[in-house]
Amino acid sequence: DIVMTQSPDSLAVSLGERATINCKSSQSVLYSPNNKNYLAWYQHKPGQPPKLLIYWASTRESGVPDRFSASGSGTDFTLTISSLQAEDVAIYYCQQYYTSPPSTFGQGTKLEIK
Amino acid sequence: QVQLQESGPGLVKPSETLSLTCTVSGGSIRNYYWSWIRQTPGKGLEWIGYINYSGSTNYNPSLKSRVSMSVDTSKNQFSLNLSSVTAADTAVYYCARSTSRNCDSSTCYLDWFDSWGQGTQVSVSS
Repeated sequence: DIVMTQSPDSLAVSLGERATINCKSSQSVLYSPNNKNYLAWYQHKPGQPPKLLIYWASTRESGVPDRFSASGSGTDFTLTISSLQAEDVAIYYCQQYYTSPPSTFGQGTKLEIK
Repeated sequence: QVQLQESGPGLVKPSETLSLTCTVSGGSIRNYYWSWIRQTPGKGLEWIGYINYSGSTNYNPSLKSRVSMSVDTSKNQFSLNLSSVTAADTAVYYCARSTSRNCDSSTCYLDWFDSWGQGTQVSVSS
Protein backbone atom coordinates (compact mmCIF):
# COMPACT_ATOMS: atom_id res chain seq x y z
CA ASP A 1 0.00 0.00 0.00
CA ILE A 2 1.05 3.59 -0.57
CA VAL A 3 2.00 5.22 2.72
CA MET A 4 1.01 8.85 3.15
CA THR A 5 3.02 10.92 5.61
CA GLN A 6 1.95 14.38 6.67
CA SER A 7 3.99 17.08 8.33
CA PRO A 8 3.79 18.58 10.80
CA ASP A 9 1.57 16.51 13.09
CA SER A 10 0.25 19.73 14.61
CA LEU A 11 0.47 23.37 13.73
CA ALA A 12 -0.47 26.61 15.51
CA VAL A 13 -0.96 29.69 13.35
CA SER A 14 -2.18 33.19 14.18
CA LEU A 15 -5.47 34.39 12.77
CA GLY A 16 -4.93 35.95 9.36
CA GLU A 17 -1.62 34.24 8.84
CA ARG A 18 -0.73 31.49 6.37
CA ALA A 19 -0.92 27.83 7.28
CA THR A 20 0.94 25.19 5.28
CA ILE A 21 0.52 21.45 5.59
CA ASN A 22 2.66 18.93 3.74
CA CYS A 23 1.89 15.45 2.50
CA LYS A 24 4.36 12.96 1.07
CA SER A 25 3.50 9.67 -0.59
CA SER A 26 5.75 6.61 -0.55
CA GLN A 27 5.39 6.33 -4.31
CA SER A 28 4.25 8.65 -7.03
CA VAL A 29 0.51 9.24 -7.37
CA LEU A 30 0.95 10.96 -10.74
CA TYR A 31 -0.61 9.05 -13.61
CA SER A 32 1.43 10.07 -16.61
CA PRO A 33 -1.11 9.31 -19.38
CA ASN A 34 -3.48 11.99 -18.09
CA ASN A 35 -0.98 14.03 -16.06
CA LYS A 36 -3.25 13.91 -13.00
CA ASN A 37 -2.18 13.49 -9.41
CA TYR A 38 -4.56 11.19 -7.57
CA LEU A 39 -4.57 13.09 -4.30
CA ALA A 40 -7.31 14.66 -2.19
CA TRP A 41 -7.43 16.80 0.95
CA TYR A 42 -10.06 16.72 3.69
CA GLN A 43 -10.96 18.92 6.65
CA HIS A 44 -12.28 17.24 9.78
CA LYS A 45 -13.85 19.26 12.55
CA PRO A 46 -14.89 17.66 15.87
CA GLY A 47 -18.39 16.25 15.78
CA GLN A 48 -18.67 16.69 12.03
CA PRO A 49 -17.98 14.35 9.12
CA PRO A 50 -14.79 14.86 7.15
CA LYS A 51 -15.26 17.39 4.38
CA LEU A 52 -13.69 17.13 0.95
CA LEU A 53 -11.64 20.24 0.17
CA ILE A 54 -9.45 19.37 -2.79
CA TYR A 55 -9.19 16.62 -5.40
CA TRP A 56 -6.80 16.02 -8.31
CA ALA A 57 -4.22 17.59 -5.96
CA SER A 58 -5.31 21.16 -6.69
CA THR A 59 -8.99 21.32 -7.69
CA ARG A 60 -11.18 22.92 -5.04
CA GLU A 61 -14.47 21.24 -4.31
CA SER A 62 -17.51 23.41 -4.96
CA GLY A 63 -18.18 25.79 -2.08
CA VAL A 64 -14.70 25.62 -0.59
CA PRO A 65 -13.34 29.12 0.14
CA ASP A 66 -10.56 30.26 -2.14
CA ARG A 67 -8.23 30.82 0.81
CA PHE A 68 -7.71 27.06 0.56
CA SER A 69 -5.28 26.07 -2.16
CA ALA A 70 -3.18 23.03 -2.86
CA SER A 71 -0.29 22.12 -5.05
CA GLY A 72 2.32 19.49 -5.71
CA SER A 73 3.01 16.57 -7.99
CA GLY A 74 4.41 13.08 -7.88
CA THR A 75 5.14 12.41 -4.22
CA ASP A 76 5.11 15.83 -2.56
CA PHE A 77 2.02 17.92 -1.95
CA THR A 78 1.01 20.99 0.02
CA LEU A 79 -2.24 22.39 1.36
CA THR A 80 -2.17 26.12 2.07
CA ILE A 81 -4.66 28.28 3.91
CA SER A 82 -3.74 31.80 2.90
CA SER A 83 -5.34 33.68 5.78
CA LEU A 84 -6.36 31.53 8.72
CA GLN A 85 -9.89 31.99 10.03
CA ALA A 86 -11.19 30.71 13.36
CA GLU A 87 -13.47 28.25 11.58
CA ASP A 88 -10.47 26.58 9.93
CA VAL A 89 -9.43 24.90 13.19
CA ALA A 90 -9.60 21.22 12.32
CA ILE A 91 -7.58 18.16 11.48
CA TYR A 92 -6.53 17.98 7.85
CA TYR A 93 -5.91 14.73 5.98
CA CYS A 94 -4.46 13.91 2.61
CA GLN A 95 -5.62 10.81 0.73
CA GLN A 96 -4.22 9.03 -2.29
CA TYR A 97 -6.61 7.31 -4.66
CA TYR A 98 -3.96 6.27 -7.20
CA THR A 99 -4.27 2.76 -5.85
CA SER A 100 -7.86 2.70 -4.73
CA PRO A 101 -8.64 0.17 -3.60
CA PRO A 102 -7.16 0.37 -1.13
CA SER A 103 -7.14 4.09 -0.70
CA THR A 104 -4.84 5.36 2.05
CA PHE A 105 -4.75 8.48 4.17
CA GLY A 106 -2.15 10.52 5.92
CA GLN A 107 -2.08 10.46 9.70
CA GLY A 108 -3.60 13.94 9.91
CA THR A 109 -2.35 17.41 10.85
CA LYS A 110 -4.05 19.23 13.70
CA LEU A 111 -4.38 22.95 12.98
CA GLU A 112 -4.94 25.33 15.90
CA ILE A 113 -4.97 29.04 16.53
CA LYS A 114 -1.84 30.52 18.06
CA GLN B 1 -27.68 17.26 -0.99
CA VAL B 2 -27.02 13.65 -0.14
CA GLN B 3 -26.81 12.73 3.54
CA LEU B 4 -25.40 9.58 5.07
CA GLN B 5 -26.21 8.29 8.54
CA GLU B 6 -24.57 5.38 10.30
CA SER B 7 -26.47 3.30 12.83
CA GLY B 8 -25.75 0.27 14.97
CA PRO B 9 -24.63 -0.84 18.42
CA GLY B 10 -22.03 1.26 20.16
CA LEU B 11 -20.67 -1.66 22.14
CA VAL B 12 -19.69 -5.08 20.85
CA LYS B 13 -18.17 -7.96 22.82
CA PRO B 14 -14.85 -9.46 21.80
CA SER B 15 -15.12 -12.31 19.28
CA GLU B 16 -18.60 -11.18 18.22
CA THR B 17 -19.67 -9.50 14.98
CA LEU B 18 -19.89 -5.76 14.55
CA SER B 19 -22.85 -4.77 12.39
CA LEU B 20 -23.51 -1.28 11.09
CA THR B 21 -25.91 0.21 8.58
CA CYS B 22 -25.62 3.39 6.55
CA THR B 23 -28.79 5.06 5.34
CA VAL B 24 -28.51 7.31 2.31
CA SER B 25 -31.01 10.15 1.95
CA GLY B 26 -31.36 12.95 -0.56
CA GLY B 27 -30.06 10.86 -3.41
CA SER B 28 -30.05 7.42 -4.97
CA ILE B 29 -27.70 4.67 -3.94
CA ARG B 30 -27.25 3.86 -7.61
CA ASN B 31 -24.38 5.20 -9.71
CA TYR B 32 -22.02 5.55 -6.77
CA TYR B 33 -19.71 3.42 -4.68
CA TRP B 34 -20.24 3.22 -0.96
CA SER B 35 -17.39 2.70 1.44
CA TRP B 36 -16.83 2.07 5.10
CA ILE B 37 -13.89 3.87 6.65
CA ARG B 38 -12.82 3.75 10.27
CA GLN B 39 -10.71 6.00 12.43
CA THR B 40 -8.64 4.65 15.25
CA PRO B 41 -6.19 6.52 17.46
CA GLY B 42 -3.41 4.20 16.43
CA LYS B 43 -3.92 3.78 12.68
CA GLY B 44 -5.76 6.94 11.69
CA LEU B 45 -8.21 6.64 8.80
CA GLU B 46 -8.44 3.13 7.37
CA TRP B 47 -10.54 2.21 4.34
CA ILE B 48 -12.45 -1.00 5.03
CA GLY B 49 -14.16 -1.70 1.75
CA TYR B 50 -16.78 -0.68 -0.78
CA ILE B 51 -20.02 -1.92 -2.23
CA ASN B 52 -22.13 -0.67 -5.11
CA TYR B 53 -25.85 -0.87 -5.78
CA SER B 54 -25.53 -4.20 -7.56
CA GLY B 55 -23.67 -5.74 -4.64
CA SER B 56 -20.17 -5.72 -6.09
CA THR B 57 -17.65 -5.46 -3.29
CA ASN B 58 -13.98 -4.95 -2.66
CA TYR B 59 -12.38 -5.20 0.76
CA ASN B 60 -9.13 -4.02 2.25
CA PRO B 61 -6.80 -7.05 2.23
CA SER B 62 -5.92 -6.32 5.85
CA LEU B 63 -9.53 -7.00 6.89
CA LYS B 64 -10.81 -9.12 4.04
CA SER B 65 -11.12 -12.35 6.01
CA ARG B 66 -13.48 -10.72 8.52
CA VAL B 67 -15.49 -8.25 6.42
CA SER B 68 -18.70 -8.57 4.51
CA MET B 69 -20.94 -5.87 3.07
CA SER B 70 -24.44 -5.89 1.70
CA VAL B 71 -26.81 -3.44 0.07
CA ASP B 72 -30.57 -2.93 0.21
CA THR B 73 -31.54 -0.66 -2.67
CA SER B 74 -35.20 -0.62 -1.63
CA LYS B 75 -34.22 1.10 1.60
CA ASN B 76 -31.25 3.05 0.20
CA GLN B 77 -29.05 1.36 2.76
CA PHE B 78 -25.83 -0.58 2.86
CA SER B 79 -24.32 -2.51 5.71
CA LEU B 80 -21.04 -3.66 7.21
CA ASN B 81 -20.36 -6.84 9.14
CA LEU B 82 -16.98 -7.27 10.81
CA SER B 83 -16.55 -10.62 12.53
CA SER B 84 -14.35 -11.83 15.37
CA VAL B 85 -13.76 -8.33 16.68
CA THR B 86 -11.07 -7.44 19.18
CA ALA B 87 -10.20 -4.27 21.05
CA ALA B 88 -8.19 -3.21 18.00
CA ASP B 89 -11.49 -2.79 16.14
CA THR B 90 -12.60 -0.05 18.52
CA ALA B 91 -13.00 2.97 16.28
CA VAL B 92 -15.27 5.60 14.83
CA TYR B 93 -16.85 4.06 11.77
CA TYR B 94 -17.83 6.25 8.82
CA CYS B 95 -19.74 5.53 5.66
CA ALA B 96 -18.78 7.55 2.61
CA ARG B 97 -19.61 7.99 -1.06
CA SER B 98 -17.35 8.03 -4.06
CA THR B 99 -17.44 7.61 -7.79
CA SER B 100 -15.42 5.13 -9.81
CA ARG B 101 -13.24 6.24 -12.67
CA ASN B 102 -13.11 2.81 -14.27
CA CYS B 103 -13.50 -0.88 -13.60
CA ASP B 104 -11.72 -3.96 -14.80
CA SER B 105 -12.93 -7.53 -14.57
CA SER B 106 -12.63 -7.67 -10.80
CA THR B 107 -12.18 -4.21 -9.35
CA CYS B 108 -13.60 -0.74 -9.63
CA TYR B 109 -11.13 2.03 -8.95
CA LEU B 110 -12.50 4.67 -6.66
CA ASP B 111 -11.98 8.40 -6.67
CA TRP B 112 -12.16 10.70 -3.65
CA PHE B 113 -14.87 10.53 -0.99
CA ASP B 114 -17.22 13.44 -1.53
CA SER B 115 -19.81 12.78 1.17
CA TRP B 116 -19.41 11.23 4.59
CA GLY B 117 -21.67 10.24 7.44
CA GLN B 118 -21.28 11.74 10.90
CA GLY B 119 -19.57 8.62 12.13
CA THR B 120 -20.48 6.22 14.91
CA GLN B 121 -18.27 5.17 17.80
CA VAL B 122 -18.01 1.43 18.26
CA SER B 123 -16.21 0.05 21.27
CA VAL B 124 -15.19 -3.58 21.65
CA SER B 125 -15.27 -4.62 25.27
CA SER B 126 -16.66 -7.35 27.46
